[in-house]
Amino acid sequence: QQPVQSPQAVILREGEDAVINCSSSKALYSVHWYRQKHGEAPVFLMILLKGGEQKGHEKISASFNEKKQQSSLYLTASQLSYSGTYFCGTAFSGGYNKLIFGAGTRLAVHP
Amino acid sequence: GAGVSQSPRYKVAKRGQDVALRCDPISGHVSLFWYQQALGQGPEFLTYFQNEAQLDKSGLPSDRFFAERPEGSVSTLKIQRTQQEDSAVYLCASSLENPRNSPLHFGNGTRLTVT
Repeated sequence: QQPVQSPQAVILREGEDAVINCSSSKALYSVHWYRQKHGEAPVFLMILLKGGEQKGHEKISASFNEKKQQSSLYLTASQLSYSGTYFCGTAFSGGYNKLIFGAGTRLAVHP
Repeated sequence: GAGVSQSPRYKVAKRGQDVALRCDPISGHVSLFWYQQALGQGPEFLTYFQNEAQLDKSGLPSDRFFAERPEGSVSTLKIQRTQQEDSAVYLCASSLENPRNSPLHFGNGTRLTVT
């Protein structure tokens, strides 16, 4: 049931772009994205809901393909502060309220 | 304006000891989750409360793990007879509404080390 994230790790130079993917084998109601820096709590970035609604930071871009049960997070013009581990959390259709998180994608942005 | 508060921040327990981990969610938040995070892994679901009702405890690894939220605010995760495999960071998160469509706010976690 755990969503699959890819890639596992990304190394960028400042200003470069990256895409992080999240896929599920079960029908999804929503996908959440969080970023966690070492030793800190995960921080909310965005929610993408079935039907197209999105909630989150204006500077974050993401997509949700309901037919494929996939979501992608787009990081453009990366900054040093983007470094951390990105997790997608999935909520399944069918009345379940729990979020199941993927294993994470580690992003390192270098000068 | 405080966020989710967890205590203690660090806990070292000898194998076989009981431990209690506390979570103070954001005031007014209905939903509360406990997650276990091993090093280099994503948060793994343990249990979920809506107010004082524990609606899902399917992620608790064994009957040594017990969680409660008696008044619908503060929650405690108790682990009895700790084992080395219990060593992990335990994260608490709360959300204002239905967690499927509202953000989770995480605490900084309790790092449990069982020796």
